[in-house]
Amino acid sequence: QKEVEQDPGPLSVPEGAIVSLNCTYSNSAFQYFMWYRQYSRKGPELLMYTYSSGNKEDGRFTAQVDKSSKYISLFIRDSQPSDSATYLCAMSADNFNKFYFGSGTKLNVKP
Amino acid sequence: DAGVTQSPTHLIKTRGQQVTLRCSPKSGHDTVSWYQQALGQGPQFIFQYYEEEERQRGNFPDRFSGHQFPNYSSELNVNALLLGDSALYLCASRLTSGGETQYFGPGTRLLVL
Repeated sequence: QKEVEQDPGPLSVPEGAIVSLNCTYSNSAFQYFMWYRQYSRKGPELLMYTYSSGNKEDGRFTAQVDKSSKYISLFIRDSQPSDSATYLCAMSADNFNKFYFGSGTKLNVKP
Repeated sequence: DAGVTQSPTHLIKTRGQQVTLRCSPKSGHDTVSWYQQALGQGPQFIFQYYEEEERQRGNFPDRFSGHQFPNYSSELNVNALLLGDSALYLCASRLTSGGETQYFGPGTRLLVL
């Protein structure tokens, strides 16, 4: 069993839709949770990071962590064609040292 | 403020050869990690360097080795290349005492023929 499982998609939505991206994990030691956006043939770009359980909002993006269910989500409101990319969740147990990544969800926002 | 930089951007090698990839961390960062990202997969942790020493290592063979220099830049060396080593190699940096997450460079795309 992988440490981090992520719905692979691809996910195709119309412009303006609300997008929900999810990951589950098995290691209860994970405390730091990150979402990265990766455009084709580029490095991952940090979108959000949270510590422990709870919600965090930044503009059109909201990250949620439910440690009791070992489940994290990223919501994108009013999605734009420029949001089309692969979204990677990442987790760490020890203060941002070794990260465990999901396999990524490819999102396509259609104009 | 320059972010994480990596060189070269692309590289083609043949099986059995050796390769060296380079990384300069974001200004002010002292810790460098290396990841391997196969096509369609998430990045896999190779190892992390801090104070010129390997601090943590993932599940990669000894063919993968690294180095960190006094200016915090780092190299990743891979010996006896296999076809399966073809991937995007990512470098990430952070400030150990800063309490923040790490930031990734653009990667080096390695193709082994």
